[in-house]
Amino acid sequence: GDSVTQTEGLVTLTKGLPVMLNCTYQTTYSPFLFWYVQHLNEAPKLLLKSSTDNKRTEHQGFYATLHKSSSSFHLQKSSVQLSDSALYFCALSAASSGSWQLIFGSGTQLTVMP
Amino acid sequence: EAAVTQSPRSKVAVTGGKVTLSCHQTNNHDYMYWYRQDTGHGLRLIHYSYVADSTEKGDIPDGYKASRPSQENFSLILELASLSQTAVYFCASNRAISNERLFFGHGTKLSVL
Repeated sequence: GDSVTQTEGLVTLTKGLPVMLNCTYQTTYSPFLFWYVQHLNEAPKLLLKSSTDNKRTEHQGFYATLHKSSSSFHLQKSSVQLSDSALYFCALSAASSGSWQLIFGSGTQLTVMP
Repeated sequence: EAAVTQSPRSKVAVTGGKVTLSCHQTNNHDYMYWYRQDTGHGLRLIHYSYVADSTEKGDIPDGYKASRPSQENFSLILELASLSQTAVYFCASNRAISNERLFFGHGTKLSVL
């Protein structure tokens, strides 16, 4: 069945360093990928989304490129800030067996240290 | 910005008791969802609805009921709360069940003792 895998549960970095949060997916249908971010005690919010192969999408300094050949949609930022500390979810939207489903990964907790 | 409001923000319930979590949206969205968040499991869909007076089962519906009395309101009901239902619950809405972004509420932290 369809699935989303985020391999890192916890990532801790020093401010100013680059980060890449991994997201791979599995589906037999045309994929639509999302990144949601959840700051402490806040609601999850959409950060990025894409369905276009090999096209970089950017928002608030974060960027990701959907690579259908490798089934990946990794989230990157060139220089993390303290305010980037949050829980990041990758999600896959796919129509499976005539019904739609949105599947979330298990999430990656990013902590940025001074 | 679309608004989804959940109540209560936190709740302590006793095992075997009844719990009702409420959600209200002012987005004029047709679709509403209840998700459960557990550490290491991400968000899992419990129930959803696309029209008033109708609900659909999600991926983990056992032990939960849902009610959609109007387009704006969507409730999650635990008739007999159990320890395993301790979690954070999120309500969300969107325009269509496809590739539309979800708008989430702030969540309800439920502790069943």
